[in-house]
Amino acid sequence: GENVEQHPSTLSVQEGDSAVIKCTYSDSASNYFPWYKQELGKGPQLIIDIRSNVGEKKDQRIAVTLNKTAKHFSLHITETQPEDSAVYFCAASGSSNTGKLIFGQGTTLQVKP
Amino acid sequence: KAGVTQTPRYLIKTRGQQVTLSCSPISGHRSVSWYQQTPGQGLQFLFEYFSETQRNKGNFPGRFSGRQFSNSRSEMNVSTLELGDSALYLCASSLAPAQETQYFGPGTRLLVL
Repeated sequence: GENVEQHPSTLSVQEGDSAVIKCTYSDSASNYFPWYKQELGKGPQLIIDIRSNVGEKKDQRIAVTLNKTAKHFSLHITETQPEDSAVYFCAASGSSNTGKLIFGQGTTLQVKP
Repeated sequence: KAGVTQTPRYLIKTRGQQVTLSCSPISGHRSVSWYQQTPGQGLQFLFEYFSETQRNKGNFPGRFSGRQFSNSRSEMNVSTLELGDSALYLCASSLAPAQETQYFGPGTRLLVL
């Protein structure tokens, strides 16, 4: 079935360090991979997304890489700041031609000042 | 431009009751998806609507239903509530289904006693 595995479940870094979160998806038909940040009491906020025809995408301190052959994609946050502390979710599009997203279990990122 | 709005934000119900949740998408967005978020199961897809038609449904019992109106606003209904239905219910909107960026609302927190 459709599945997305996300690691690690928790991640603690010092302010200024980099953070990397990795996801693996099961359905080779998936071709859209968004990342969301969720703060306490709020809905998920899109921070970056990548489509299968692109291997890497960067937006300031955030970058995402995609390896379709290995069915891996990763989120890289550089120069972390305390306000980056939140839960991060990766997702992959479902195999059918719909907007269904399959989410990973989430990574709680703590950035220590 | 206003974001996705969901009402009510919080709801307390008892077992056996039914509940209706509402979602207003971003202006111009015609696709609405619903997700259930729980600590144990994470974010799970409920259903997706586009042009008043359900395009996809997740693996939830028939007690969960939804609809979309001509102005793209959507409602979801849960009948015969169970304790396990306690969750954050999230609505996401996009311009169109399939690989379009989805923007989430703040969610409705449902507690079933």
